[in-house]
Amino acid sequence: AQSVTQPDIHITVSEGASLELRCNYSYGATPYLFWYVQSPGQGLQLLLKYFSGDTLVQGIKGFEAEFKRSQSSFNLRKPSVHWSDAAEYFCAVGAGTASKLTFGTGTRLQVTL
Amino acid sequence: EAQVTQNPRYLITVTGKKLTVTCSQNMNHEYMSWYRQDPGLGLRQIYYSMNVEVTDKGDVPEGYKVSRKEKRNFPLILESPSPNQTSLYFCASAPIQDGNSPLHFGNGTRLTVT
Repeated sequence: AQSVTQPDIHITVSEGASLELRCNYSYGATPYLFWYVQSPGQGLQLLLKYFSGDTLVQGIKGFEAEFKRSQSSFNLRKPSVHWSDAAEYFCAVGAGTASKLTFGTGTRLQVTL
Repeated sequence: EAQVTQNPRYLITVTGKKLTVTCSQNMNHEYMSWYRQDPGLGLRQIYYSMNVEVTDKGDVPEGYKVSRKEKRNFPLILESPSPNQTSLYFCASAPIQDGNSPLHFGNGTRLTVT
């Protein structure tokens, strides 16, 4: 069965600092990987996705993520965080033909000014 | 505007009183799904639907029902709500859930069962 681990429940960074959110997955084949962001009172919005090709993927709002098969990881990064990036971030893994997307437990990002 | 609309946004009810949370999408998506979000547990799938009249259980279906009579609507029904169903619920849709289609989410329904 597929699974996703986000080891950091809560992260605090200063505005302008770099950010890396960790995501580790378990899946038997090549996974479909996603990062979603949830702003307060909102639904989830797709930041980026990976399913093949270049292992470094660019997303919206200046985010990027790198797929590392050897480490079963798909970490999310941003070079310089803005206060508006404060939100909860979810990593998710999908199977190729299944109808289920498995989400991690989320990482809450706090940005200090 | 393409969107997934859930109603109501907030709902407080008592144990055992049947309720329905509506979900509608205007993107002609085949796939729709319901999730619940609980602190420390992330999002867990309740039910999903691949198309009209096709529904299936997710990871936590107990205590819930769904129907898919029309492509655009996918209501979530709690026949006899209990306090452990207090949660934040999200409806989502996708053109085809083939693994790489991103989900479009509604803004959520916060349900409290006393």
